[in-house]
Amino acid sequence: QKEVEQNSGPLSVPEGAIASLNCTYSDRGSQSFFWYRQYSGKSPELIMFIYSNGDKEDGRFTAQLNKASQYVSLLIRDSQPSDSATYLCAVLSGNEKLTFGTGTRLTIIP
Amino acid sequence: KAGVTQTPRYLIKTRGQQVTLSCSPISGHRSVSWYQQTPGQGLQFLFEYFSETQRNKGNFPGRFSGRQFSNSRSEMNVSTLELGDSALYLCASNRDRAVDTQYFGPGTRLTVL
Repeated sequence: QKEVEQNSGPLSVPEGAIASLNCTYSDRGSQSFFWYRQYSGKSPELIMFIYSNGDKEDGRFTAQLNKASQYVSLLIRDSQPSDSATYLCAVLSGNEKLTFGTGTRLTIIP
Repeated sequence: KAGVTQTPRYLIKTRGQQVTLSCSPISGHRSVSWYQQTPGQGLQFLFEYFSETQRNKGNFPGRFSGRQFSNSRSEMNVSTLELGDSALYLCASNRDRAVDTQYFGPGTRLTVL
């Protein structure tokens, strides 16, 4: 089992709809969770982080964390073509190593 | 404020050679982490340096090494290059090891022939 798992996609979502990206992790001692966006040919950019169970909203983005289910998700509301990118889930484990999932490729269809 | 810079941006080497990559963090950032990104394995953690000390290390062979200087600039070295070392090598800096302040550099694309 991989430490951090994401559906590789591609995930296609119509413009204006909600994009839902999911991530599961195996280390129950993990405390910090991050979402990065990576455009093709560019480096990853941190867009959200969450530490506590529940929802955290920032503009059109909402991160959701459920530690009991070892599940993290990212919702993007009112999806725009500029949201088309690969989204990487990252988990900071108890040994302070940041482990990334392989990413979900998201395409917003105009 | 200048971002994270990495040099060189592109590099072509042959098997058996060694290579040194450089990373200059954002001013005031004392932590530098290195990652390898490949299409098959994704982004994998190599090591982290903070105040010139290696604080954490990923699961890579000893051919991969690094160091950090007193001005927080960091270098990573790969000796005896293998074809599988072809990858994008990313450096990230953050303030005092806090991942929520982490910024990535543009990366160095290494091709091993």
